[in-house]
Amino acid sequence: KQEVTQIPAALSVPEGENLVLNCSFTDSAIYNLQWFRQDPGKGLTSLLLIQSSQREQTSGRLNASLDKSSGRSTLYIAASQPGDSATYLCAVRPLNSGGYQKVTFGTGTKLQVIP
Amino acid sequence: DVKVTQSSRYLVKRTGEKVFLECVQDMDHENMFWYRQDPGLGLRLIYFSYDVKMKEKGDIPEGYSVSREKKERFSLILESASTNQTSMYLCASKGGPGNTIYFGEGSWLTVV
Repeated sequence: KQEVTQIPAALSVPEGENLVLNCSFTDSAIYNLQWFRQDPGKGLTSLLLIQSSQREQTSGRLNASLDKSSGRSTLYIAASQPGDSATYLCAVRPLNSGGYQKVTFGTGTKLQVIP
Repeated sequence: DVKVTQSSRYLVKRTGEKVFLECVQDMDHENMFWYRQDPGLGLRLIYFSYDVKMKEKGDIPEGYSVSREKKERFSLILESASTNQTSMYLCASKGGPGNTIYFGEGSWLTVV
């Protein structure tokens, strides 16, 4: 059974700092990995999706990397801003040959960027 | 942009009432999902659908049912609401490049 862990559960940084959020998974047979942000009381917003054949994806100040062999993905946020404050979740889709491939979500890292 | 719309953001219902949560997506995705999210428990899959009129139970289907009569619409039904169903309900659809998952804004349901 796939387990997805995000440590730390909470993180507080001063504005302008570069930071890395971590996502670890136990089964490396994955189809893709997706990063989301969730603002309080709202739904999840997709940030980046990395296919299993890719090593990284970039969007603006965000860069997500994937290392399947070590079961890790990182989300790098450059020059953090107060507007980046949110909970960040990763989700892992397994590599199955058929049927529904259940996505496993991490429990998230709550980020606070202090002005 | 993909849009997943949950029609009700906040609902307050009484115990025993029948509750309908509606979700519509505009990207012709085949796969749609209902999750609930509770503090400390993360996202838990209630039901999913991979085609019109097709549905599969997720991890916590008890007390819920779903309906998918049209491809764009996936409804979650609480046949007889109970207080332990007070939660944030999230609808999602999956498709497009890389089979990306898109979520709606969520529906906060309080059962009193």
